[in-house]
Amino acid sequence: DTAVSQTPKYLVTQMGNDKSIKCEQNLGHDTMYWYKQDSKKFLKIMFSYNNKELIINETVPNRFSPKSPDKAHLNLHINSLELGDSAVYFCASSQELARNEQFFGPGTRLTVL
Amino acid sequence: DQQVKQNSPSLSVQEGRISILNCDYTNSMFDYFLWYKKYPAEGPTFLISISSIKDKNEDGRFTVFLNKSAKHLSLHIVPSQPGDSAVYFCAASRSTSYGKLTFGQGTILTVHP
Repeated sequence: DTAVSQTPKYLVTQMGNDKSIKCEQNLGHDTMYWYKQDSKKFLKIMFSYNNKELIINETVPNRFSPKSPDKAHLNLHINSLELGDSAVYFCASSQELARNEQFFGPGTRLTVL
Repeated sequence: DQQVKQNSPSLSVQEGRISILNCDYTNSMFDYFLWYKKYPAEGPTFLISISSIKDKNEDGRFTVFLNKSAKHLSLHIVPSQPGDSAVYFCAASRSTSYGKLTFGQGTILTVHP
């Protein structure tokens, strides 16, 4: 059973398009996160949600909009895609807000042409 | 401004020997540190953590050492096994940061049979 799953695994799209990445966790965790791993391999947090409430929003362009329909799902919608958005996006979850041990999904490799 | 740094991009070790991965941080407010392991095309997997009130934490073959005065931590793997070959990320957090992890850029460990 996959604990944290993301779809799609690969996403290739043109500049200017709008795309979504979905994330689901079946661990019963309260908190979910989105991270971006750039070309230099740094993993940087973008957003976190706790029980569907936005907690962290790390200076991310407002073209990125997370949506949490319930605490098991955190989707990432990106409008007007730019070349610089090409990266691997990881979803993660943790049992509660203060717990640092986060469980990561397999990642979505986004390529913007 | 990279607050967590892993200055060795790669490390090569013989099977059975000790692997030592290093991590430095600059933010003295960090009070919790974690190591993650990542295989290609997978998400990071939590390995071991340490609170700033300790200077050592051990879990099987993995030991993390924390030197707060030097703002340095290290992960020791003894004995190293070929299956340990992966990218290792160091991460740090503050208890007041709602689970926000700041990652280093990773060290590629290769364990040769």
